Amino acid sequence: GIQVEQSPPDLILQEGANSTLRCNFSDSVNNLQWFHQNPWGQLINLFYIPSGTKQNGRLSATTVATERYSLLYISSSQTTDSGVYFCAVVRGGNEKLTFGTGTRLTIIP
Amino acid sequence: GAVVSQHPSWVICKSGTSVKIECRSLDFQATTMFWYRQFPKQSLMLMATSNEGSKATYEQGVEKDKFLINHASLTLSTLTVTSAHPEDSSFYICSARRTGENTGELFFGEGSRLTVL
Repeated sequence: GIQVEQSPPDLILQEGANSTLRCNFSDSVNNLQWFHQNPWGQLINLFYIPSGTKQNGRLSATTVATERYSLLYISSSQTTDSGVYFCAVVRGGNEKLTFGTGTRLTIIP
Repeated sequence: GAVVSQHPSWVICKSGTSVKIECRSLDFQATTMFWYRQFPKQSLMLMATSNEGSKATYEQGVEKDKFLINHASLTLSTLTVTSAHPEDSSFYICSARRTGENTGELFFGEGSRLTVL
């Protein structure tokens, strides 16, 4: 099956800092989503981004499908940004969403 | 966006009992829903694909007789953990996609945390 690796696995930052989270995948994909899992476990949809760049407030994402990676940018971090960030992909010809390994982000006041 | 609701959020049961978890798409129809399991500090692992009106498709290593899935309508799928044991304790989360969007955006329920004593 498709492999989805995220880096870094853990990230600790001061409030106000910027960060870049990376998602690498091993095969072509039809769909890529970024999620934030809050402390209660709920998955919050951040971006549906199979290709290109999108922005939503302090967050933006870029997917370069031909090079099999996606980046999530968080600017001016806030403590509420803490949690685990997952990317997940749907491989070409499939409809199942495969999750990456996750990045645990901790924002310190 | 679209709303997926899961119930119950928390459940504690005795070993040997069965537990049913419901997953509903509130404002859209979903021919296909997906059930995931997440152990502490790990990623989400797909357990099975739930298909409306037909049998579920299980991932390798997932016991279909242990995790019964029923998708009786276009807005409801249920997962029943039968004869639960402590090793079944986990966070179960469902997801759904709008009918017809085979690779479109997936929306997730709030999750159900199961503790088997």
